Amino acid sequence: DGGITQSPKYLFRKEGQNVTLSCEQNLNHDAMYWYRQDPGQGLRLIYYSQIVNDFQKGDIAEGYSVSREKKESFPLTVTSAQKNPTAFYLCASSPRTSGTTQYFGPGTRLLVL
Amino acid sequence: QKEVEQDPGPLSVPEGAIVSLNCTYSNSAFQYFMWYRQYSRKGPELLMYTYSSGNKEDGRFTAQVDKSSKYISLFIRDSQPSDSATYLCAMSDPADKLIFGTGTRLQVFP
Repeated sequence: DGGITQSPKYLFRKEGQNVTLSCEQNLNHDAMYWYRQDPGQGLRLIYYSQIVNDFQKGDIAEGYSVSREKKESFPLTVTSAQKNPTAFYLCASSPRTSGTTQYFGPGTRLLVL
Repeated sequence: QKEVEQDPGPLSVPEGAIVSLNCTYSNSAFQYFMWYRQYSRKGPELLMYTYSSGNKEDGRFTAQVDKSSKYISLFIRDSQPSDSATYLCAMSDPADKLIFGTGTRLQVFP
């Protein structure tokens, strides 16, 4: 099956801890994205990458970091600098760098202990 | 003012009803328009994708774009309980960045 996978489904973070969310796609898409979804606020772009070894900040990049070492993988690290990390995190990919049609993974819910 | 406005609902309708979901936007440079369906605790699923003004139909779904009024709609005919979800509109700016509405929660009761 082709698609986007995210793991884990649920993740718990302790104070001062960095955590990494996994995103893998086997669609051979060039572009990948990370969004954060909070109730009543819609999806907000954290980081995006249009090509391997290159990525750009989105609207709310502070407290997050990413890497794009392989075309199929785009992990997101939520660092201790992110003071309000509780949210639903969504990874997406797009077949063209234009990013007009994005396809989403199932999401990871991050909770703070 | 947000670039994309969408009524959060909830919108509650009986099975078989015609549903109308709407978004307004302020940026006339938006080029592509999309509708996503999101079930609770799941990722959004792309439903419809349109570029120009006018209507696009896919089964029970019709997407309508009116660029002159900066208004897009999604119509669902013969609505089913399985259509109960949150519907997100999205549009791309000239930099190909997607701007999302906050979503409208739809409930279709039997």
